[in-house]
This record gives sequence, C-alpha cells and structure tokens, in this order.
Amino acid sequence: AQSVAQPEDQVNVAEGNPLTVKCTYSVSGNPYLFWYVQYPNRGLQFLLKYITGDNLVKGSYGFEAEFNKSQTSFHLKKPSALVSDSALYFCAVRDIRSGNTPLVFGKGTRLSVIA
Amino acid sequence: DVKVTQSSRYLVKRTGEKVFLECVQDMDHENMFWYRQDPGLGLRLIYFSYDVKMKEKGDIPEGYSVSREKKERFSLILESASTNQTSMYLCASRSRMTSNQPQHFGDGTRLSIL
Repeated sequence: AQSVAQPEDQVNVAEGNPLTVKCTYSVSGNPYLFWYVQYPNRGLQFLLKYITGDNLVKGSYGFEAEFNKSQTSFHLKKPSALVSDSALYFCAVRDIRSGNTPLVFGKGTRLSVIA
Repeated sequence: DVKVTQSSRYLVKRTGEKVFLECVQDMDHENMFWYRQDPGLGLRLIYFSYDVKMKEKGDIPEGYSVSREKKERFSLILESASTNQTSMYLCASRSRMTSNQPQHFGDGTRLSIL
C-alpha cells in the first residue's frame, strides 16, 4: 500500500526566514513524488516532482524539495519565505510500479508566513 | 497549459436532490479523477476513470456515481444528496502516456447540502 504523512498540520515562519514543510512516504517500490499548493478557494497547483536522478528538485516560485531515500522523505523548502507563500501544501506519491493509478495525497500542511 | 474546468464554483442544494457536478478538460487526457476535500482529512478519492466509459471506485464511493461518455467530460453524481456530502469537490485529469506526470486540478466546487 502507498501512503504519505505530513506530520505538521501547521507551520509558522517569519517572512525572510527559510521554510521547510515535511513529508514522508511509504511505497513498496520506488516513488514518484509531488508537491502541490492550494490557495484559498482554489484547486491544487502543481509545484514540483521527483522522478529520478538528482535528489534536489527545483520547482515553481523558488521552491525546492530534497528526496532522501534512506529516510523516505521529500521535504519542501524555500530559502526565504514570502507572505504570499501562505497557503495549504500537499505532498503526494505513487509507486512507479503501480501503473496508472491515482496519486495518494497527504492531509496537507498549512503554512503561515508572518510579516 | 492544461485547463480543467468545473462548471460551478459554489452550489447549494437540498437534502434528497440529485446533484450533478461537471468537469471538463481540454488536453485530451485519458485519466480523470474526483476527490472531496474536508478539513483535517485532506483529499479523498471518490471515483476515477482511465478512459471513456471506464470507471473505478476510489476510497469513498458510497453515495456517489460517475459518468464518462466523452473523453473530455467527467461527471460526478450525488444520487440523493445528504448533509454529510457538504464539501469541496475537486476534479483532476492526467495524461496516460507517462505515469510520472502530475494530475492537473480544477478550481473546485464548494457544495452545500441544506
């Protein structure tokens, strides 16, 4: 079975400080990993994905994520947070051997960036 | 860019009504999905479709059905709406060609059942 855990319901960070939103996953094989962002009353927007290769993945709006196979983690990071980064963030996974199945999502982490 | 359009942003219906939520995508994607989103529960998969006329149950299909008569359109049907189906409903689509592609989401329909 595939699963994703986002251990923090809420993350607060001061504007200009680095931010990290945590994600751990469980798959039986190798993963495809995704991060999405959701602004109020909007759908999910794709930020970045890990397929293979370099463990550090860069995405939209200055976000990046680091894949760590030994820790089964895929934490989202940004060097300097903006107030406009305040949103709900979702991590998602699919086992590469699972064919065309839907993504499995975590429960989301609300990021609040304080000016 | 992929465009996934959900027909209503906000919808208010009454208990017992049959409710239709419509979703259209413009990228010729084979796969389409319906999720509901509730605070503290994240996204839960209701139904998905690999292609036209095909459907698969997700994690919470009870009380729902779907229709995929055309490739671009995937409809979610609440057979007899109940108050516990008040939620945010999200539609998504994805190309089947490469399984590492992201799912693309619509802006959601916030449904209230009174």
